[in-house]
Amino acid sequence: AQSVSQHNHHVILSEAASLELGCNYSYGGTVNLFWYVQYPGQHLQLLLKYFSGDPLVKGIKGFEAEFIKSKFSFNLRKPSVQWSDTAEYFCAAAAYNFNKFYFGSGTKLNVKP
Amino acid sequence: DTGVSQDPRHKITKRGQNVTFRCDPISEHNRLYWYRQTLGQGPEFLTYFQNEAQLEKSRLLSDRFSAERPKGSFSTLEIQRTEQGDSAMYLCASTPFGGGEHRGELFFGEGSRLTVL
Repeated sequence: AQSVSQHNHHVILSEAASLELGCNYSYGGTVNLFWYVQYPGQHLQLLLKYFSGDPLVKGIKGFEAEFIKSKFSFNLRKPSVQWSDTAEYFCAAAAYNFNKFYFGSGTKLNVKP
Repeated sequence: DTGVSQDPRHKITKRGQNVTFRCDPISEHNRLYWYRQTLGQGPEFLTYFQNEAQLEKSRLLSDRFSAERPKGSFSTLEIQRTEQGDSAMYLCASTPFGGGEHRGELFFGEGSRLTVL
């Protein structure tokens, strides 16, 4: 069955620290991968997406993610976090035709000023 | 704001009552999805439409749940005979299926929070 796992449920960092959030997926066939973010009181919005090509993708606000096919992983990174990055982050996977999106359980990031 | 809108934002009901949620997607988006999210979990797929056709429905969805998108624009999600386990945030998202820079990107609404007493 298709699934997405996020192992870090809650991460606390100080400003300027580096961030890496883990995401592993279980999917047969071609997979499209996403990271979504939900800031406090706001709706979910796309950070970045990977369909094919360069496995290192860059998104908004300085975020990037690396697709490692052999590890079934799509980890999110940011070299230096800011207080404004405090949010919940969701990894998601979808088949080639985007008929369903499977989401991980989310990681709450708390950045201390 | 021309984003996805959902109504009502919050609904409190008693067990056994019926509730209906409405979603207005971004106008040019032909795909519309319903998701459910409970505390500490990510969004869980319920169903999706391409234009007015309901193409897939989660096997987890009981017969008490029904969704429509009559003219390929707005959509409604109805829950009949609500149970306490139905308490959740119901999310709607739309996407412009096809090519373009937003290919595969889900645009979410703010959600409709259901509390069943």
